[in-house]
This record gives sequence, C-alpha cells and structure tokens, in this order.
Amino acid sequence: QITLKESGPTLVKPTQTLTLTCTFSGFSLSTSGVGVGWIRQPPGKALEWLALIYWNDDKRYNPSLKSRLTLTKDTSKNQVVLTMTNMDPVDTATYYCAHTSTILGELSFDYWGQGTLVTVSS
Amino acid sequence: SYELTQPPSVSVSPGQTARITCSGDALPKQYAYWYQQKPGQAPVLVIYKDSERPSGIPERFSGSSSGTTVTLTISGVQAEDEADYYCQSADSSGTYGVFGTGTKVTVL
Repeated sequence: QITLKESGPTLVKPTQTLTLTCTFSGFSLSTSGVGVGWIRQPPGKALEWLALIYWNDDKRYNPSLKSRLTLTKDTSKNQVVLTMTNMDPVDTATYYCAHTSTILGELSFDYWGQGTLVTVSS
Repeated sequence: SYELTQPPSVSVSPGQTARITCSGDALPKQYAYWYQQKPGQAPVLVIYKDSERPSGIPERFSGSSSGTTVTLTISGVQAEDEADYYCQSADSSGTYGVFGTGTKVTVL
C-alpha cells in the first residue's frame, strides 16, 4: 500500500531555510505519471497547495511562493525534498506531502502523509 | 492568483442532505476534487474528477458540476460526516493547484 511520511525540523528561526523530506513507499517516482506534492495548513486555517514534482522532473509551484520554493527528488531513496527560504512566523503550519498521478489529474492528491508541524519563531 | 470560494459553514440534521458549493472561474475547464478533513487528521479524498468516488468512500457522497460552480452533496448525513471539507482544482492553464477556502459541516 502507498504510504508517505514527512520529516524535518519542528522549529525554525525567522529568515532561516526550511528543509522537509517526504519518504514514501508503495510506488516509484520513476513510474510514468506519478508525482509527489506538498500542501500546508496554518493552525485553524485552510489548506494551501504549495508544489508538486512529477516522475519526469516536471515541477509546479504556487505562484505566490515560487521564488521561495525548491523541489528535488531522489528516486533511489524514494524521497522528495522541499526547501523554503526566508521563513517567517506566518509560515507556521502543518506541512503535508501527498501522492498524485496524471490519471487522477488537476494536480490533486489521493494519498497523504500524516503531516508535520513546523513552527517559525525566534 | 486563482481562488476557489466556499461557504464557511453548513449545518444539517442527521439523515438530511448537506450541499457544499465551490465557485471558481476555471471550473468549467478543470476538474474539481473534494477532501474531508477531521480534526487532527490528514485530508481524505472523497470525490475526484467532479463526480467520481474513490473506493471505500460511502455512496452518500456525490459530486456535480455546473458552469463555474461545483457541489459536494452528502445524502443521509451521519454524525461521522462532521468535518471540514475542501474543494480543489487547478488554474485555467493547469499550471498549479489551488484549494478552496473550506467549509465546516456541523451535524446538529
């Protein structure tokens, strides 16, 4: 079965760079049509679509955050890494990674990780 | 950037029907998806491609589309359906994804 898990720091300081890793199993990012994305949710607020990387290294970013986000994948390790620069307290949120496929469409997600809470504070 | 608008809340009695709308200019061109999120849990996909139901999702969940508005309908609402619901789609060119503002469904 498909599983995903997010890992990374729980606390970062303002202006620092956040690096989160999504480790997954049950699928391969070398399979045509497969992708992994990131979504975040500030406490008590709505979901926000952040970014997505496909098997062919096609990357999509939220235009509002594009200048701060970078996605990379390591197919051999079954991992996707999200970096977000210049962190601010408003970036405090639970960060989720999730599975997608071109069959599912519209940059949507069918399997989600449990999420990891990242707090930005000095 | 592109936005999807949902009502903040919907209240419904057990056994009745809940309807949640989602409005966006690109919805005539792009499919909509619906997620259910219960407190402290990750979202769960309940409807994909406007009206398709993933395996394991009860039949009381259905979706429809009309112009710039899509609707999630929960028929015969049960107490366990109390949750936040989010629509999701893509911008008109399919370049990036976007989530709706979210709707809290309360079962009275």
